[in-house]
Amino acid sequence: QKEVEQNSGPLSVPEGAIASLNCTYSDRGSQSFFWYRQYSGKSPELIMFIYSNGDKEDGRFTAQLNKASQYVSLLIRDSQPSDSATYLCAVIYSSASKIIFGSGTRLSIRP
Amino acid sequence: DVKVTQSSRYLVKRTGEKVFLECVQDMDHENMFWYRQDPGLGLRLIYFSYDVKMKEKGDIPEGYSVSREKKERFSLILESASTNQTSMYLCASSLEGAMVKNIQYFGAGTRLSVL
Repeated sequence: QKEVEQNSGPLSVPEGAIASLNCTYSDRGSQSFFWYRQYSGKSPELIMFIYSNGDKEDGRFTAQLNKASQYVSLLIRDSQPSDSATYLCAVIYSSASKIIFGSGTRLSIRP
Repeated sequence: DVKVTQSSRYLVKRTGEKVFLECVQDMDHENMFWYRQDPGLGLRLIYFSYDVKMKEKGDIPEGYSVSREKKERFSLILESASTNQTSMYLCASSLEGAMVKNIQYFGAGTRLSVL
């Protein structure tokens, strides 16, 4: 079982709709969770991080964390073509000694 | 803004060559990291460093070594390049502090081809 799992996609969403990206992780003691966005040919850039159960909102982005079910989600409201990218989920494990990245979900926003 | 600079965007090397990938950050970050990124496998940690002259193995250190002689510079060395080391290499840095709040800033990446 992979330590951090994401659906590779592509996930196709119409412009203006809500895009929902999901990530599951295997270490129940994980403490910190990150979403990075990576445009094709570019390096990852941080979008959001979340440490506590529940929702965290930042503009059009909402991160949702459910530690009991071991998943973290990213919602993108009012999706724009510029949101088309690969989204990487990253988790810092309970040992706090390493960060594990998922393989990413490719999101495509269709006009 | 944090700036992480990797010395080359593209490199082509021959099998058996010794290869140096350089990374420099300008924000006085304590932590620096080297990853490789391959399709379907995501980012995999090769080595990281919490301080000058200090290094820790990541998940896939075999065939690689690192050097950190100065705080701002972290070098990845392929002792004898092989074709299975053809990949995108990403350097990252982050502030000191609890790993649990480790936000990483990435360089633009070096695409290495080993022929």
